[in-house]
Amino acid sequence: SAVISQKPSRDICQRGTSLTIQCQVDSQVTMMFWYRQQPGQSLTLIATANQGSEATYESGFVIDKFPISRPNLTFSTLTVSNMSPEDSSIYLCSVEDFETSGSSYNEQFFGPGTRLTVL
Amino acid sequence: AQSVTQPDIHITVSEGASLELRCNYSYGATPYLFWYVQSPGQGLQLLLKYFSGDTLVQGIKGFEAEFKRSQSSFNLRKPSVHWSDAAEYFCAVTSGTYKYIFGTGTRLKVLA
Repeated sequence: SAVISQKPSRDICQRGTSLTIQCQVDSQVTMMFWYRQQPGQSLTLIATANQGSEATYESGFVIDKFPISRPNLTFSTLTVSNMSPEDSSIYLCSVEDFETSGSSYNEQFFGPGTRLTVL
Repeated sequence: AQSVTQPDIHITVSEGASLELRCNYSYGATPYLFWYVQSPGQGLQLLLKYFSGDTLVQGIKGFEAEFKRSQSSFNLRKPSVHWSDAAEYFCAVTSGTYKYIFGTGTRLKVLA
């Protein structure tokens, strides 16, 4: 399966600041996704990032708060802007990898996550 | 509304005992079902998946799951738990698109 890395693995930030999270994949993938996992809760999809187009945001998430870049087929960034304590979460990057999964169905592989704490 | 329910927030089992984690879904379309495991400080690792065919699917690490359409369930099982299985387990469903719906997770504790 695709190998996914994220930087930073964790960070503690002050209220009002911004943090950019990087996601690197070891192979070219069409679709990359960003999820949020709030403490004690499940994963929620923030947005889909396709290379060469604007990210598509899910209901409840906006570009001003979570700007995303996708400069090429192996890399994406998610910025958490103007942070508040409510943004304290694990942020995960995932990718679709049809080649490895050997199927035509959507199967996602996840990175290790970035644990963000906002004071 | 589409949803995934994992009724057990926490489960504790003794090492060597059998395990069953429950997952129920509510989905109008034909579901594609997944089980993921998240170890502390790690991302999600795919244990197994069901798309079609045999309703009993085998996964990694000795796990299996059975799809029961009549019960809208996709329970995860392992005959003998190892201490390294302590983690959080997530069930997820999709209709075949990238939009996964995840359950709230079941945290497994293994007693020595």
